[in-house]
Amino acid sequence: SYELTQPPSVSVSPGQTARITCSGDALPQKFAYWYQQKSGQAPVLVIYEDTKRPSGIPERFSGSSSGTMATLTISGAQVEDEGDYYCYSTDSSGNTCVFGGGTKLTVL
Amino acid sequence: QVPLQESGPGLVKPSETLSLTCSVSGYSISIAYYWGWIRQPPGKGLEWIGHIHQSGSTYYNPSLKSRVTISVDTSKNQFSLKLSSVTAADTAVYYCARGQGDVVVGYYFDDWGQGTLVTVSS
Repeated sequence: SYELTQPPSVSVSPGQTARITCSGDALPQKFAYWYQQKSGQAPVLVIYEDTKRPSGIPERFSGSSSGTMATLTISGAQVEDEGDYYCYSTDSSGNTCVFGGGTKLTVL
Repeated sequence: QVPLQESGPGLVKPSETLSLTCSVSGYSISIAYYWGWIRQPPGKGLEWIGHIHQSGSTYYNPSLKSRVTISVDTSKNQFSLKLSSVTAADTAVYYCARGQGDVVVGYYFDDWGQGTLVTVSS
């Protein structure tokens, strides 16, 4: 079965740049999406189609993708950005969706 | 944003069928979009269960496909999830969500319900 691989945790100081990676064999052909989930809340879409930011998402959130790796970048991370981040995509057929294992971002 | 609200029993016995409904407000589910279910076991990550297009086309997680049915009731502006033969491993917060995309760009979920905890226990 198709898998997306993320680091379990990333830690940065406030104001630093946080980068969370996601690797998957189908990412050269399929878009990556990123969700932020704060404790006890539903996930929120922060990046779609590799690089696009939904309305209402701060500009410090950006996405990129190259080869089999997608990256979520938070430039000037703030304490309120702490939470779990999940990448999401589909397999090469386009019909099976999968989430990465999630990355816990700590900003302190 | 499209308000979505999950409802259903919070406790299901092992071997029985889990049934949840998602009510959609302010938008007709028969017009467009996909409507899906995602779950999250306590303390663990997200798992895609499946989604349905308003046309009736369904897409299921292969690991759950034999036990899952997602359907749409346009008259009530709701869609539903049924998961049969549940075990303790199916204990999770279940989210309903609105989906977009296609087989080329992929399907993704842009609006989510708040989630509902379903516990499988005797």
